[in-house]
Amino acid sequence: GAGVSQTPSNKVTEKGKYVELRCDPISGHTALYWYRQSLGQGPEFLIYFQGTGAADDSGLPNDRFFAVRPEGSVSTLKIQRTERGDSAVYLCASSKTGGNTEAFFGQGTRLTVV
Amino acid sequence: EDKVVQSPLSLVVHEGDTVTLNCSYEVTNFRSLLWYKQEKKAPTFLFMLTSSGIEKKSGRLSSILDKKELFSILNITATQTGDSAVYLCAVAGSNYKLTFGKGTLLTVNP
Repeated sequence: GAGVSQTPSNKVTEKGKYVELRCDPISGHTALYWYRQSLGQGPEFLIYFQGTGAADDSGLPNDRFFAVRPEGSVSTLKIQRTERGDSAVYLCASSKTGGNTEAFFGQGTRLTVV
Repeated sequence: EDKVVQSPLSLVVHEGDTVTLNCSYEVTNFRSLLWYKQEKKAPTFLFMLTSSGIEKKSGRLSSILDKKELFSILNITATQTGDSAVYLCAVAGSNYKLTFGKGTLLTVNP
């Protein structure tokens, strides 16, 4: 596609529920990143994919968070047993490779856990 | 652990003023430094600076990278109300992930 696409744009869920957030990167981009941004803060790294594999998942806060990218394109961030503290904007970015090329962001998913 | 510090955290100016935003960093095996503009949710890419490209300019915006002193600045001349946004600085190190600063909130008043 022309840009990084994230769905849904907004998600409200009840505490304890399971949610999936989807990211469709720019066509041909092998690197894909997930970030989380709270109000007044910069984006916080969660996980980085190079192709299908998670090259770095050191930012995932705990085992309730998991992400996949089975075919090296679309990625899904999965959050189990959501907590109110998970409320944030979840941003996805992609780049042609990683590190030395520009990373472009999607519009983000605003997750609200009530 | 990679670290990015931006200053000031917020800034209010009048249209036509020139502003300078600062970004200092600590990173293992520096690869690149990127500047983004964030108005709503999505950060919009502005510049990428690397060892082979330490100065960039686009219209009223320009940026330089000082690899020796480990900082970068973003300059905006003749500011307009449309420049009001959060400006984010990020660095990429040996592990390829981008580490962001907290951003500078710029408000340009008419």
